[in-house]
Amino acid sequence: DQQVKQNSPSLSVQEGRISILNCDYTNSMFDYFLWYKKYPAEGPTFLISISSIKDKNEDGRFTVFLNKSAKHLSLHIVPSQPGDSAVYFCAASPNSGYALNFGKGTSLLVTP
Amino acid sequence: KAGVTQTPRYLIKTRGQQVTLSCSPISGHRSVSWYQQTPGQGLQFLFEYFSETQRNKGNFPGRFSGRQFSNSRSEMNVSTLELGDSALYLCASSYLGGTNSPLHFGNGTRLTVT
Repeated sequence: DQQVKQNSPSLSVQEGRISILNCDYTNSMFDYFLWYKKYPAEGPTFLISISSIKDKNEDGRFTVFLNKSAKHLSLHIVPSQPGDSAVYFCAASPNSGYALNFGKGTSLLVTP
Repeated sequence: KAGVTQTPRYLIKTRGQQVTLSCSPISGHRSVSWYQQTPGQGLQFLFEYFSETQRNKGNFPGRFSGRQFSNSRSEMNVSTLELGDSALYLCASSYLGGTNSPLHFGNGTRLTVT
């Protein structure tokens, strides 16, 4: 049962524009959310996280927004760069948990 | 600091065999987690160890097992391999585990079962 869903398998964006990656979750016990980026032949790399006590967290070009009532989060990348082309995974866990529940990923392609 | 090291990178096994995968965490990290990545299911949690104790286990059959040594290095074992076990197995470490310590992943071991 997929508790974290990324409904867009792929996304293509022009360099310099905004990339918006979306994620929905079903488990109301989740209160910690993360985004990971994965290049081919490498393991996922931690990008940014957000706790359920916040609705926004920024780190440079990356911003994560959390809408608890809609059980929805999104990752904004501004401006997008070709090096951002990768698969992005959304993950969630309960605050006391040690296991992350991952979405199936969204493949982002940033074109020059 | 060296990253998470997984060996071997690639492995080909036959149905019915068993396999052992190894993971060396980042120095100082005491929590090691294992995940299975397949095209159909994405990344799925297998188990998590801290100070040689399994703290959490995912929904996988008993053929999947693991252990952690006193130096925090970890191994996972899959017995009686099935074709469906073909996957990328990812190990991740963190300082304490839990939500205050983001996971640092290795590059994985690609297991192919024929």
